[in-house]
This record gives sequence, structure tokens and C-alpha cells, in this order.
Amino acid sequence: EIVMTQSPVILSVSPGERATLSCRASQSINTYVAWYQQKPGQAPRLLIYGASTRATGIPPRISGSRSGTEFTLTITSLQSEDFAVYYCHQYNNWPYTFGQGTKLEIK
Amino acid sequence: QVQLVESGGGVVQPGRSLRLSCAASGFTFNTYAMHWVRQAPGKGLEWVAVVWYDGSNKYYADSVEGRFTISRDDPKNTLYLQMNSLNAGDTAMYYCAKVGAPYTSSWYFDHWGQGTLVTVSS
Repeated sequence: EIVMTQSPVILSVSPGERATLSCRASQSINTYVAWYQQKPGQAPRLLIYGASTRATGIPPRISGSRSGTEFTLTITSLQSEDFAVYYCHQYNNWPYTFGQGTKLEIK
Repeated sequence: QVQLVESGGGVVQPGRSLRLSCAASGFTFNTYAMHWVRQAPGKGLEWVAVVWYDGSNKYYADSVEGRFTISRDDPKNTLYLQMNSLNAGDTAMYYCAKVGAPYTSSWYFDHWGQGTLVTVSS
């Protein structure tokens, strides 16, 4: 099973600033990584797939990148609606696995 | 627009069974693989099971293998999860999720339902 390790667990950032979330895979998964945002009481929402492709309706200030087995989600100019929990997800191997989540909170 | 509506959750005693349903609309259901993903209260996401777009293959997480069965009824545009021998560890919100491209199973989830809550308790 591929383990996805997200860091940090909690990230405190001020509105208007940049947030950088990381996710490391325990083995190579090519670019088969997605990022989801989840707000309290809601289902997850797709943000990024293929490590760097934005889903429909996702603004350019949200971006994803990859370096080997390290994946990064970057959100610039943080807005109030961005404060939520973010999960990375690998879909390269069965079983599919998720990171444990990063909570992005207002500083 | 794509809609996924789960139902069938509730409170069930340990060892009993429950069947979840996911009614799909807004896309050609029989061309998409479908998944179940669960989330225990206050915890992260856990993938549960997948059924191929044509029903030819099904995979399960080790934690549910042999107890849960995923299936689909394409004429009814409905996905199911039959859950047997339930235990406290199965307590979670259960989401159905659609993959992002047709005729493939290995893909990200582009749409999720709102979930149905299963509580296993005596």
C-alpha cells in the first residue's frame, strides 16, 4: 500500500498570504495525484488532478506541482473560503490512498 | 449537472447488515467507474471499493474485503454497497464518488455525493 504523508498537519496563514501544503508518496506514483478541499459538513471537492491540472472552476491562484514523489499544493492570495482541510490522493495503485489531511486555518 | 445522492445509512447493531444506495444523474452512468469512500467522525478519507464501468471488476480495501459488496444497476443509474458483519470500526460517513473520465477505473474523483452516515452501535 502506498502511504501518502501530508505536512504540516495544521497550517496557520493570514488572509492574503500564500499557503504551501506538501504531500509525499512512499513510492513512485507518476503524476496520479489529486487534491481535494473539504469544509465542515461538506463532501470533498476536487481541486487538482494529474498533480497539476486544475479542475473545472478552480481559480489560477490554486496550483499543484510535483518533484519526484513530493507533491505540493499552493494557494496564493488566501481568501476566507480557502480555510478548510486539504487531502492529497494517489490513484496510481490499488488500494487508492489518501493523505491524513492538512488543516489550513486563519492566523 | 452531475448529482449523486446517497441513502440507506442509519444506526445498526454490531454484526448486522445494511445496504447503501447512490442515485446518479446528469451523466452517462454506465460509462463511468464508481467508488465508495468513507470518513470516520473527525478522521480522514478512506477508500472503500470500486466497480468498473461495465461491472467486470471490483476491488475492495482490506478492511472491508469479504464483508462488503459493491454493485451497480445501470438501468436504474444506481450504485450500491452491501455491508455485512458490521463493527464499530465501520462507523463513518459513506460517500459515493464518480471518476473523472469514462471507460477508466484508475482516475481521480470529480464528483462526490453528500454522504450517508452509518453508525454501528449496540
